[in-house]
Order: sequence, then C-alpha cells, then structure tokens
Amino acid sequence: DVKVTQSSRYLVKRTGEKVFLECVQDMDHENMFWYRQDPGLGLRLIYFSYDVKMKEKGDIPEGYSVSREKKERFSLILESASTNQTSMYLCASSSGGGVSYEQYFGPGTRLTVT
Amino acid sequence: DAKTTQPNSMESNEEEPVHLPCNHSTISGTDYIHWYRQLPSQGPEYVIHGLTSNVNNRMASLAIAEDRKSSTLILHRATLRDAAVYYCILRGSGAGSYQLTFGKGTKLSVIP
Repeated sequence: DVKVTQSSRYLVKRTGEKVFLECVQDMDHENMFWYRQDPGLGLRLIYFSYDVKMKEKGDIPEGYSVSREKKERFSLILESASTNQTSMYLCASSSGGGVSYEQYFGPGTRLTVT
Repeated sequence: DAKTTQPNSMESNEEEPVHLPCNHSTISGTDYIHWYRQLPSQGPEYVIHGLTSNVNNRMASLAIAEDRKSSTLILHRATLRDAAVYYCILRGSGAGSYQLTFGKGTKLSVIP
C-alpha cells in the first residue's frame, strides 16, 4: 500500500517562528502536494511539485515556501508563522503518468500558531 | 475551471444504498470525474473515477449521465464507516493537470 507520512500530527508554534512540515512518500511518486484545510473553506492547494527541485504555486502560496531535494520528500516552510496560518495541513502524492492521477493523502498535521 | 455542485449534507440508514449526486454542467470533453472522501480526522482518500461509462470498484459505483453534466456516487450498503465528507472533483487529462480542486463536498451521516 502507498504510504504518505507527515512528521507530526499536532504542532504548536509561536508567531514569528520558522516552521517546517515534512512529508515522505514511499511509492516513488513524481508529484507531491501541500494543501491546507479550514472549516467552511475546504481543501486549498498551497504548492505542488512534479519533480525533484521543481515547484509550482497553487491557489494560496503567500506566506509559504517549499523544498523538494529528494523525490520522496516534500517540505512546507512557514518562514515566519502567523496566527492566520493555524490550520490542518495535508500532504499528498501521485504518480506522474496514467489516467487516474489518484492522489494519496497523509494523515495531516494540525498546526496551531499562538 | 469547471465547477461541481453537491448538496451540503445527506443522511442514510445503515445497510441501505446511498446515492450522492453531483452536478457539473460546464464539464469539458476531456475532464474526468473523480470522487474522494474524507473520514473524520483523516486525510482524503480516493474512491472512484470515470470519464463516460459507469464504473464499479470494491468501494462504490459511479453512474455518469449520458450528457456528462451530472454523476452519482452509489454506495450499495452504507455502513457507519462510510460517514464522511464526499467530494466530487473534475480533473483534466492534459499535461500539467496535476491539481485536484476540492469543493465543500457532501457530508454523509449514517444512522444506525
């Protein structure tokens, strides 16, 4: 089975801190994604990557950056955390080819910024 | 991007079939219809997808209207574990169509 793991289920950080969220997948997938999920707003795409060292902005990239140095790992970075970045963060991966493009999601990291 | 419209919530009795509707009147000829669901406190999981023909898998069936402007996800016998938010998503098949755009979905409650 495909497995997508995220470094923490729960995280509490202070305003202004630099925050790293890590995501690892074990299926050699080309594509990886970061979403955030907020009540009433659904899932929104922050960034995605279709290859090592490649990245594309999603719908809400402001305040975030990403890093993909290895195929299996995709990191989301909050350079200076703010309270409006309190959210559930979900990582996903998918194969680059094929009709399905099925995305496999991790369990999520609930980040609280105080 | 083509949009989908789903009811905010639905209820079903346990052991009965559930039909979850989705309208997508602006679908293009190359858009695939995907369904995901999200159980409480978990990330979304893939359920099923199709293009024109009805599809079946171990989790559900997908019925697609002949004009492709609507589709229905069918759970044949709802269980308590099927209580989740179900998302209907359109996805292009061209190069670069990596994204899934999630709407608000339908929250399915299953009554014992």
